[in-house]
Amino acid sequence: DQQVKQNSPSLSVQEGRISILNCDYTNSMFDYFLWYKKYPAEGPTFLISISSIKDKNEDGRFTVFLNKSAKHLSLHIVPSQPGDSAVYFCAALITGTASKLTFGTGTRLQVTL
Amino acid sequence: DTAVSQTPKYLVTQMGNDKSIKCEQNLGHDTMYWYKQDSKKFLKIMFSYNNKELIINETVPNRFSPKSPDKAHLNLHINSLELGDSAVYFCASSQAITPSPARGYTFGSGTRLTVV
Repeated sequence: DQQVKQNSPSLSVQEGRISILNCDYTNSMFDYFLWYKKYPAEGPTFLISISSIKDKNEDGRFTVFLNKSAKHLSLHIVPSQPGDSAVYFCAALITGTASKLTFGTGTRLQVTL
Repeated sequence: DTAVSQTPKYLVTQMGNDKSIKCEQNLGHDTMYWYKQDSKKFLKIMFSYNNKELIINETVPNRFSPKSPDKAHLNLHINSLELGDSAVYFCASSQAITPSPARGYTFGSGTRLTVV
């Protein structure tokens, strides 16, 4: 039962344009959502997060939008740069004891010149 | 100075063997995790430990046995390896039992296990 889904396995965007990565979830108990970035042969690294009580969080070129009624979030990268080429994982968290991050399957972003 | 380090990075072994993967974190975090990334790239939690105490054990075959000698170390021992165990195993840590929403986990770089 996959509670966090990233339905696009890959995305290709030109340098300078906007990259939009999508994520859907099924469990309304999630109270935080996080995005991780992963380069080959490295572990995922934290990028940005959003609380379920907010609808937007921005950090430099990265903005995460949350639509709670649709159980959908998206990560916007503007402008996209070649160094952004990586796999992006969406993750969700229910806070409390024995809490854990539940991950999606990732979207591979390729930023082309 | 690596924050979460795993060894080995690559492990190729035959079916039926027993192997261990080691993980150490120097962040002073209280909680450590093992995640498995399978061939479908799905990152799934296996275990979590908080201050050497097992907190999460997610329906993992009992051939997998985690060991936490202290809160800075979480090792994974796998008995009687099977082809289906081939995956990338990630160790991670967080400051507290509930990961900080502002930081989440800090991951190691992974151990690619190939069972032949």
